[in-house]
Amino acid sequence: NAGVTQTPKFQVLKTGQSMTLQCAQDMNHNSMYWYRQDPGMGLRLIYYSASEGTTDKGEVPNGYNVSRLNKREFSLRLESAAPSQTSVYFCASRRGQGANEKLFFGSGTQLSVL
Amino acid sequence: GIQVEQSPPDLILQEGANSTLRCNFSDSVNNLQWFHQNPWGQLINLFYIPSGTKQNGRLSATTVATERYSLLYISSSQTTDSGVYFCAVGLDTGRRALTFGSGTRLQVQP
Repeated sequence: NAGVTQTPKFQVLKTGQSMTLQCAQDMNHNSMYWYRQDPGMGLRLIYYSASEGTTDKGEVPNGYNVSRLNKREFSLRLESAAPSQTSVYFCASRRGQGANEKLFFGSGTQLSVL
Repeated sequence: GIQVEQSPPDLILQEGANSTLRCNFSDSVNNLQWFHQNPWGQLINLFYIPSGTKQNGRLSATTVATERYSLLYISSSQTTDSGVYFCAVGLDTGRRALTFGSGTRLQVQP
């Protein structure tokens, strides 16, 4: 059981380049999230997906697009990378709601934009 | 939006010591979780605790929702407890999105 798998683990981009961060979960969860973590800060929500084909903006969506083509996969795309998008990106999926609620995180993607 | 403040920001302990981490939040919430981020960056759920008290081994947590704070207790700390502890809160019943505090960085020395 792999849980939440993110690729790549590290990426360096030049300003203006594009890339897609991949995320897949094998736990049959409906809800998936993309968060970013900046140094010395907690995580901030970029986008959320409640199910296949549905997405919703979070706290910091500008400069990003997402795609939820199926239940397993939730990708995050940077169309024209900017230095302000240098961060660590985490994908997560959620099991349940309430007392048995639990978030499962991927291992993160460290992105540097030069 | 909801503000989340964690204290202390940094904490250094000797192995075997006990500690209390605090999380204050600015509004009523129906979701409060504690996470541990290990030195390699991996994030792990510790507790889902919007109210009441829970215990899991050497860790326990208490949330007093009416007073808008939560406490995480670590007893008999071990070097493997090192890392950053995040409190995260939320109020929406749909997305269950969380607002994270900036964390408490804990270093346990042997």
